This record gives sequence, structure tokens and C-alpha cells, in this order.
Amino acid sequence: AQSVTQLGSHVSVSEGALVLLRCNYSSSVPPYLFWYVQYPNQGLQLLLKYTSAATLVKGINGFEAEFKKSETSFHLTKPSAHMSDAAEYFCAVSANTGFQKLVFGTGTRLLVSP
Amino acid sequence: EAGVAQSPRYKIIEKRQSVAFWCNPISGHATLYWYQQILGQGPKLLIQFQNNGVVDDSQLPKDRFSAERLKGVDSTLKIQPAKLEDSAVYLCASSLEAGAPQHFGDGTRLSIL
Repeated sequence: AQSVTQLGSHVSVSEGALVLLRCNYSSSVPPYLFWYVQYPNQGLQLLLKYTSAATLVKGINGFEAEFKKSETSFHLTKPSAHMSDAAEYFCAVSANTGFQKLVFGTGTRLLVSP
Repeated sequence: EAGVAQSPRYKIIEKRQSVAFWCNPISGHATLYWYQQILGQGPKLLIQFQNNGVVDDSQLPKDRFSAERLKGVDSTLKIQPAKLEDSAVYLCASSLEAGAPQHFGDGTRLSIL
């Protein structure tokens, strides 16, 4: 079985500051890991995914995440926040075989102030 | 390419009534998913179709929820009768195949009075 824990339901940063959103996973098999973003009244959009190639994954909009097996973590970072980054971010995990059902965390709302 | 289309965007019903949601996936996508997203939570998979067959419905409350995907394209999700705890956003997603990136629609927001 797979699960993810997102630490912090809300994260506030100033425009231009580092963004760090935390995600820890639990999986009984080698996992695939994902970050999705959700803007108000919209569906989810894939930011990036880890599928056991490089441990540092680069995604869209300047985001990246690092898979750390020893820490069971997959934290999302961005060097400099923009106002447009304000949204809800979800970490998700799936098995790397079979039908690869996605299991989502509870989300972290990113607030960006001027 | 056109995205995943869902309708209606919003629906308000009273408890014990029935409701149906419709999803049109991206053309050529074999896998279709229905998720329930309760306020303050992440999406939870209700059912996954591969073409017109069900591959996972382990979290679908089958006493009141049903879904079908006729001809392996469009899909409908039905709730009958609705309960207060069914208030949520229902998201449809599709992918080329299981494990491929999922593309989400904008969802249907259901409110139960």
C-alpha cells in the first residue's frame, strides 16, 4: 500500500523567496512520485514526476523535486516565488507496476505575498 | 488538443435525490478515472476504467454510486440516493494508458442540502 504525508496545510512566502513544500511517502514497493498543482475551481495539473531515473526531477514553471530514499521524501522547491504560484499543491504516490493507482496527500496551500 | 470535458460545473440537490455527472476524455485516451475531492482533502480515486472495463472500484460506495463507460469513450457517474457527506468536487481524468500522465477536467462541484 502507498500513502503520502504533506507537512503543513498552508505555507506563506514573499515574492522572490524560496518555496519549499514537504512530502514524505510510504510505499511497500518502489514508488513513482508526483506533484500536482490546482488553481481555484480548476482540475489538477502535473508539475513533475519521479519514475526511478534521475533523483532530481525538474518540472514546469521552475519547480523541481528531489527523491531521497533514505528520508522517504520528495520535497518540492522553487528558488524564487511568483505571485502566480499561489495555489494548492498535492503530492501523490503510485506503485511502479500494475494499474499504478494514484494516492494523493491532503494538499498544501501556497500563499505568496508582495 | 482539447482537454477533458466535464458537465455540469455545479450542481445543487437535496439529500436522497439522484444526480449524474458526465465526462468526455481526451480523444484516444484508454484510461479514465473518477475522483472525489472533499473540501480540504486530496482527490480520492473512486473508479478507474481501462477502455470500457473496470480495473479498480475498491473505493466506490457501490450501494449508492455507479459508473459506466460505454464504448470506451464518454463516462457517467451517478449517485442515488445522495447523502450530505457526498458534497464534494467530482473530478474526471484520462490518460493514454494506465501509468501515463493523467489529464484532469475542471470538475463538478456538488452541494447536498
